[in-house]
Amino acid sequence: DIQMTQSPSSLFASAGDRVSITCRTSQNITSHLNWYQQKPGKAPKLLIYGASSLHTGVPSRFSGSGTGTDFTLIISSLQPEDFATYYCQQGHSTPPITFGQGTRLGIK
Amino acid sequence: EVQLEESGGGLVQPGGSLTLSCAASGFTFGSFWMTWVRQAPGRGLEWVASIKQDGGEENYVDSVRGRFTISRDNAKKSLYLQMNTVRAEDTAVYYCARQTYYYGSGKYYIIYDYWGRGTLVTVSS
Repeated sequence: DIQMTQSPSSLFASAGDRVSITCRTSQNITSHLNWYQQKPGKAPKLLIYGASSLHTGVPSRFSGSGTGTDFTLIISSLQPEDFATYYCQQGHSTPPITFGQGTRLGIK
Repeated sequence: EVQLEESGGGLVQPGGSLTLSCAASGFTFGSFWMTWVRQAPGRGLEWVASIKQDGGEENYVDSVRGRFTISRDNAKKSLYLQMNTVRAEDTAVYYCARQTYYYGSGKYYIIYDYWGRGTLVTVSS
């Protein structure tokens, strides 16, 4: 199974800040990495697929990069609605599909 | 608009059974793989099971294989998860998700592009 490691596990920032979240995989998954946003009590929402492609309706302040085993999610200017938990997921080698443990983005 | 709505969660005793349902609308249900993902209280996301468009292939995480069964009824646009011999560690919110394949870097890969709101399963005596 492919192991996923996100860092940091939690992050505190202010509106307007630029933040980055990292996801590292235990095997080369080329660009087959997706990012999701989850707010408390809500379902996850797809943000980015294929490491860098924005899902429909996702604001352009979100961006993704990386290939192989190291990936990054960047939010260029935090908005109040961006405070949530973010998960990476590999879709390369299945089953099983595996997710990172999550990064909680809180208000400083 | 794509919509997925889970139902059937509740309190069940250890060793008991429960069946979850997911009603789909807004897309051609029979054209997509479908998946169950769960989230234990305060924990991250865990893939549970997936089923092919025609029901002819099923995949399970090791911890539920032999106890849970995923199925679907394309005429009713519904996905199911039959949970047998449940354990305390099966306590979680269960989400159904639409599974989509994209092509990149020489092969297809999996994306979960739409999710339901989830249904809570609590295993306790």
